[in-house]
Amino acid sequence: GAVVSQHPSRVICKSGTSVKIECRSLDFQATTMFWYRQFPKQSLMLMATSNEGSKATYEQGVEKDKFLINHASLTLSTLTVTSAHPEDSSFYICSAEKGGTDTQYFGPGTRLTVL
Amino acid sequence: ELKVEQNPLFLSMQEGKNYTIYCNYSTTSDRLYWYRQDPGKSLESLFVLLSNGAVKQEGRLMASLDTKARLSTLHITAAVHDLSATYFCAVDLSGGGADGLTFGKGTHLIIQP
Repeated sequence: GAVVSQHPSRVICKSGTSVKIECRSLDFQATTMFWYRQFPKQSLMLMATSNEGSKATYEQGVEKDKFLINHASLTLSTLTVTSAHPEDSSFYICSAEKGGTDTQYFGPGTRLTVL
Repeated sequence: ELKVEQNPLFLSMQEGKNYTIYCNYSTTSDRLYWYRQDPGKSLESLFVLLSNGAVKQEGRLMASLDTKARLSTLHITAAVHDLSATYFCAVDLSGGGADGLTFGKGTHLIIQP
C-alpha cells in the first residue's frame, strides 16, 4: 500500500498564532501533494497543489499569504496557517498520488481549533 | 467550472436492502474516485474508475462509470450496519494525477438493524 501521515493529528491554538502541519509520504515519493480543508458536515475543498521544488498553486479564494505551503522534499509538504483565526478552525487533509497507481492516498487529517 | 453532484445526500436504510448512490459531474473527466469517510476520520479509497463502462466490485459495494452520461453509481447490495459512513465521489480532470480532486457533497449513509 501507500501510506501518508500527517502531524499533528490535533492542534488547539490561540487566535493570532501560526500553526504548521506536516504531510509525509512514508513509503513512496510524491512530486505533487494536495491540501484540502473540510468544515464540519461538509465536503472536502481543494486549497492548493504543492509541488516539490516550486511554488504551490492555490485555488481561487485561498489566500496564499495566509496558508503557506512548502514542499521541500519528495516526501514532505508543510502547510502553515499564519495568524490563525477562529474561522480557520477546520479539518485539514493532505493527499499524494503514488506513481503508477492512479490513486490519491489521503493522510489521516489534522483537526485545527483556533480559540 | 467543474461541478460534482451526489444524490441522495442523506440515506437511511435497513440492513439487507439494496440501494444506489449517484454521482453526476459537469465536464469531461478521465478519472472518478469513490471514498468512504467515517466520523472524525480521513478518507479511505474504495474505487478508482478510469474508463467508460468500468465496473468494480468489492464485497457488497459495486461502482460503475458512464463517461458519456457523466455519471457514476455506487451500488450497495444487502447492506450491513458496518457500511454506515459518508461516501464521497470525486473527479480528477487531468488524467495524469497533476490536479487535485473535486468532491461531491457526500452521501451520509445510515444502515439500521
